[in-house]
Amino acid sequence: GQSLEQPSEVTAVEGAIVQINCTYQTSGFYGLSWYQQHDGGAPTFLSYNALDGLEETGRFSSFLSRSDSYGYLLLQELQMKDSASYFCAVSLYSGAGSYQLTFGKGTKLSVIP
Amino acid sequence: DVKVTQSSRYLVKRTGEKVFLECVQDMDHENMFWYRQDPGLGLRLIYFSYDVKMKEKGDIPEGYSVSREKKERFSLILESASTNQTSMYLCASSFTSGSTDTQYFGPGTRLTVL
Repeated sequence: GQSLEQPSEVTAVEGAIVQINCTYQTSGFYGLSWYQQHDGGAPTFLSYNALDGLEETGRFSSFLSRSDSYGYLLLQELQMKDSASYFCAVSLYSGAGSYQLTFGKGTKLSVIP
Repeated sequence: DVKVTQSSRYLVKRTGEKVFLECVQDMDHENMFWYRQDPGLGLRLIYFSYDVKMKEKGDIPEGYSVSREKKERFSLILESASTNQTSMYLCASSFTSGSTDTQYFGPGTRLTVL
């Protein structure tokens, strides 16, 4: 089976930097994704890492170390609107050229003034 | 923009009723998924489909079935609803790009079973 671990809650100050870690145990790993979900909203895709290293998209960056089965999401210049839940998810091949995601339980980020 | 719609935002049913949750996507995606989301448990995959009339069990398929008669539509069926199926149900669709599928989610259906 697969398991992912991420902190349940994180609090950070507006303007600061926060890192949300994710460790995973899985077979058939293809990559690590991050999704954001605001209260009452749908999850939305943020980033994906297939290879080791850092991927940057604006204020958000995501890192993967396949050898350590570890990744993180880095949010810089935090804004109040970044308050949301963040989910890491591993990509697993499901056959017929498609992939399925197994999600972590999510990290609730609270940004305070 | 990809649009994934779900038939209801809120639904209240009684124990033992048959429940249909509908999901429609407008981007010609091959893959569609049904998840349930419960506090502290994240998103758990119920069923998915990578083609019309194809279905695969996810992590928690018990008590559910699915139907995909057309590419754009994926239905989740609760044959006999039970109170432990009270949850938020999220539908998603995806295309395959490289080694992952970017999933696009609908707004969710909050189902309460009394």
